[in-house]
Amino acid sequence: ETGVTQTPRHLVMGMTNKKSLKCEQHLGHNAMYWYKQSAKKPLELMFVYSLEERVENNSVPSRFSPECPNSSHLFLHLHTLQPEDSALYLCASSQEAAGNQPQHFGDGTRLSIL
Amino acid sequence: DQQVKQNSPSLSVQEGRISILNCDYTNSMFDYFLWYKKYPAEGPTFLISISSIKDKNEDGRFTVFLNKSAKHLSLHIVPSQPGDSAVYFCAASIWGAQKLVFGQGTRLTINP
Repeated sequence: ETGVTQTPRHLVMGMTNKKSLKCEQHLGHNAMYWYKQSAKKPLELMFVYSLEERVENNSVPSRFSPECPNSSHLFLHLHTLQPEDSALYLCASSQEAAGNQPQHFGDGTRLSIL
Repeated sequence: DQQVKQNSPSLSVQEGRISILNCDYTNSMFDYFLWYKKYPAEGPTFLISISSIKDKNEDGRFTVFLNKSAKHLSLHIVPSQPGDSAVYFCAASIWGAQKLVFGQGTRLTINP
């Protein structure tokens, strides 16, 4: 496989459930990102990891918990979510965590909170 | 406060003609700009970029123009093809910073 792979593609969960989103990149990149895209809104950066270290946390509620065990894998652990958290969650990677580098995106996980 | 704005939510162009997508920004510190294309049920795909030391960058049918004084950039696609129908996002960043700031996107439809 090449590129950035996200699983699952779709997820429906209740507000009291705990689930995790997974992202894997096969590009040899050192930086990984989580974005949220709500309907009719721009992509919102949630977290940035560089060489497995979190370098940016964009005021995201604690019910979202990221984990980066190595430079190829990124997780987003979800617990006690709210209906407004229903959105498309996109993972991306880039060679370095610098703004002058294109980010390569996965196809996203469509999350629906009941 | 939205720092990157795409004021046209949609644009319809005839096949073979030129498509022009526009983007405005407010933060004068931005010095690197990108365009992404997104098909339904897929993630955004990087298309073309430009740094603030240039005012034009070209890649095949795609050209990005940057007007720093107006804080405006545009993406020209010529000739437009049906496969260009997608949502286009512009994004901006500051050299060395970790984050890209995205616009809301413009849906481009190419009519046969």
